[in-house]
Amino acid sequence: AQSVTQLGSHVSVSEGALVLLRCNYSSSVPPYLFWYVQYPNQGLQLLLKYTTGATLVKGINGFEAEFKKSETSFHLTKPSAHMSDAAEYFCAVSDVSGNQFYFGTGTSLTVIP
Amino acid sequence: KAGVTQTPRYLIKTRGQQVTLSCSPISGHRSVSWYQQTPGQGLQFLFEYFSETQRNKGNFPGRFSGRQFSNSRSEMNVSTLELGDSALYLCASSLVGHSYEQYFGPGTRLTVT
Repeated sequence: AQSVTQLGSHVSVSEGALVLLRCNYSSSVPPYLFWYVQYPNQGLQLLLKYTTGATLVKGINGFEAEFKKSETSFHLTKPSAHMSDAAEYFCAVSDVSGNQFYFGTGTSLTVIP
Repeated sequence: KAGVTQTPRYLIKTRGQQVTLSCSPISGHRSVSWYQQTPGQGLQFLFEYFSETQRNKGNFPGRFSGRQFSNSRSEMNVSTLELGDSALYLCASSLVGHSYEQYFGPGTRLTVT
């Protein structure tokens, strides 16, 4: 079975600083990888996804993530944090058969003015 | 296109009762998945329906059931409610299946007293 580990349940950054949210997965076969964001009292919104092809994936709101097979990682980054980025972020993985979809436990991002 | 809609948005039930939650996917989406989100357990997969058939199921007791109609709308039912069933229940729809990005509804907040 797949599993997803998000290191750091809470991350704080200053406004304008680099955002780095970590995600590692366990899989013997390259999976499909996703990052979602959840604002308070809302559902999840897709930020970006990796299925095949280019390992550096660009998403919405200036976020990007790089798939590193050798490290089984899919870390999310943004060069400059904005106050509106404060939210809960979830990494997710789906195996290529599409039979299961697994979420990490989430990372709460706080942006300090 | 309209997004994923879930009704009701908030629900309060008493232990032992049953509840039915509804989800209308994005037009054209045939896959509907349900998730339970709690502070302690995070996002947990309940089940996925595709073309009126349950295709995948998570590790939840039989009290949790669902169905999908020919118009792809889905319902989720929880019988004999327990206090631990209090959670945000999220529905997600997908164009092809589980391995592609899912679009989430705002969720139904269920409180069991």
